[in-house]
Amino acid sequence: GENVEQHPSTLSVQEGDSAVIKCTYSDSASNYFPWYKQELGKGPQLIIDIRSNVGEKKDQRIAVTLNKTAKHFSLHITETQPEDSAVYFCAASPNSGYALNFGKGTSLLVTP
Amino acid sequence: ETGVTQSPTHLIKTRGQQVTLRCSSQSGHNTVSWYQQALGQGPQFIFQYYREEENGRGNFPPRFSGLQFPNYSSELNVNALELDDSALYLCASSLGTGAGNIQYFGAGTRLSVL
Repeated sequence: GENVEQHPSTLSVQEGDSAVIKCTYSDSASNYFPWYKQELGKGPQLIIDIRSNVGEKKDQRIAVTLNKTAKHFSLHITETQPEDSAVYFCAASPNSGYALNFGKGTSLLVTP
Repeated sequence: ETGVTQSPTHLIKTRGQQVTLRCSSQSGHNTVSWYQQALGQGPQFIFQYYREEENGRGNFPPRFSGLQFPNYSSELNVNALELDDSALYLCASSLGTGAGNIQYFGAGTRLSVL
């Protein structure tokens, strides 16, 4: 089955700096790669996703890059703010509507 | 808010008991997926229901079972509870099972098994 590895497990940055979280996956059949943000006491919330026919996608301060050959994808957050502090999960799946295989998460702390 | 609601929010059970968790999907969504999230881990896929039928299952034993009702709400049942079943149980709903359908998560049910 699919194995998704995520690094780092914790990340601390100062407000205004950039944050980068990296994931690798094992199953070449995976074609859909979402990123979820989970705040304390809440369920995961989709922040951005990318499909295998695209190499990069950007939404304001958030961007995701995908390298299908190397089987890795990354989340980039620029101009971080304290409200970006949360646990971020990457996931991989053959398609968005089916079982998502999640990484173990990255706890991001943005200090003022 | 995603429109996916789960009940109860917290539950305490003892080993060997049975538990039922409930999920109301977002309006118009016919697919519900259940995930188990152990402390400090990512969610793990348990199974998915599409139009009242099981549409795939993760690596969980048969004592984890589910149902989906005609209104697309869903239940997760766990029999013979074990200590390791303590976790946050998340449900996610989507418009369908195919590509292009985003999964929206509820806030989860925190289950503690003593």
